[in-house]
Amino acid sequence: DTEVTQTPKHLVMGMTNKKSLKCEQHMGHRAMYWYKQKAKKPPELMFVYSYEKLSINESVPSRFSPECPNSSLLNLHLHALQPEDSALYLCASSQGLSYGYTFGSGTRLTVV
Amino acid sequence: KQEVTQIPAALSVPEGENLVLNCSFTDSAIYNLQWFRQDPGKGLTSLLLIQSSQREQTSGRLNASLDKSSGRSTLYIAASQPGDSATYLCAVAGAGGTSYGKLTFGQGTILTVHP
Repeated sequence: DTEVTQTPKHLVMGMTNKKSLKCEQHMGHRAMYWYKQKAKKPPELMFVYSYEKLSINESVPSRFSPECPNSSLLNLHLHALQPEDSALYLCASSQGLSYGYTFGSGTRLTVV
Repeated sequence: KQEVTQIPAALSVPEGENLVLNCSFTDSAIYNLQWFRQDPGKGLTSLLLIQSSQREQTSGRLNASLDKSSGRSTLYIAASQPGDSATYLCAVAGAGGTSYGKLTFGQGTILTVHP
């Protein structure tokens, strides 16, 4: 298995809702990442998990809450989002800092 | 802070042309450089990974070079096809300073290959 799987592919949520994005990989990678991508812009790093511990938080608002329950799974919990949070959320994994990244196909999030 | 620049921002060519996409970065403290392809509304597909100690990598019609000391990389696409139309992103993995442990992307080159 050489893929990063993200679910759901599409999500529409209201500003008072709570939802979660899920990311899974079975390549034995020990680093996992969340990126946010707005239209016509490059991906921007949100969080880095290394060996299931949060190692980088790029000053992301607390309405985004990451979780890494085990080495194969990464979640992003969403609460009280704003319409400007609408974007493509990408998950990625790698064996480590000096290795290449594998990206998932993303979750298209729309906040209404 | 690492900055990555890609030139040109957009490129339109007829099918069959050979073309070159350029990427430059400001901090040479990198682990590697990776070229990705992104189709509209989709995720990123890795094309080539060049480690900091390497000079080039090849895969099929694609060839990427890296000159770490000058902070430059090029992606060469031979005999372009309409199916190559996509956004091409260059990204560097930081090995020091505030970029340590982070993958920094360029703005991308939008490639259109017309029949």
